[in-house]
Amino acid sequence: NAGVTQTPKFQVLKTGQSMTLQCAQDMNHEYMSWYRQDPGMGLRLIHYSVGAGITDQGEVPNGYNVSRSTTEDFPLRLLSAAPSQTSVYFCASSSVGLSLFSTDTQYFGPGTRLTVL
Amino acid sequence: ILNVEQSPQSLHVQEGDSTNFTCSFPSSNFYALHWYRWETAKSPEALFVMTLNGDEKKKGRISATLNTKEGYSYLYIKGSQPEDSATYLCAFHGSGNTGKLIFGQGTTLQVKP
Repeated sequence: NAGVTQTPKFQVLKTGQSMTLQCAQDMNHEYMSWYRQDPGMGLRLIHYSVGAGITDQGEVPNGYNVSRSTTEDFPLRLLSAAPSQTSVYFCASSSVGLSLFSTDTQYFGPGTRLTVL
Repeated sequence: ILNVEQSPQSLHVQEGDSTNFTCSFPSSNFYALHWYRWETAKSPEALFVMTLNGDEKKKGRISATLNTKEGYSYLYIKGSQPEDSATYLCAFHGSGNTGKLIFGQGTTLQVKP
């Protein structure tokens, strides 16, 4: 049971490049989310998904796309990287049904440190 | 816009001191309040999930209380140890936001030996 895994751990991009941050979980969790962590800002929700085929925007969705074709995977796409997207990105998952307000805690991946030059 | 505030932003204590910090959150549409511990270069790890007004949770030397009517939670650490040094995050889960957690900025605790 690997929990939540993220790849890559580190990435450097040039402005305008696109890339996909990968996130996978093997706990059969319905709910997955992406956060970015910036100094003094805490964790801010980018996008989240309550199940395969369902995604929704969080607090800071601009410049990012997501899809959820399987329960296990929740990739985050940067369409045209900008220096403002330099950050540490965390993926998280928890057990929650489509209409449930779960009190299950979230399990976080190890993070991806992204630098956009 | 939902606001979750944590104070203080940072805290330096001596080994053996007891300490506490605060998380303030909206008192309406409350569903749950989460506490996480986040060590440098690691991922946040869950400490507590609290749902009921007056709830009190404990894990070893760490405990937390919850007041949903006034919108605050306290995290207490008794007899701080250097290994308690970390950032402590709280996250608000509103009843209208399926699965969405709104995080505070965190309180960074440094325990000096």
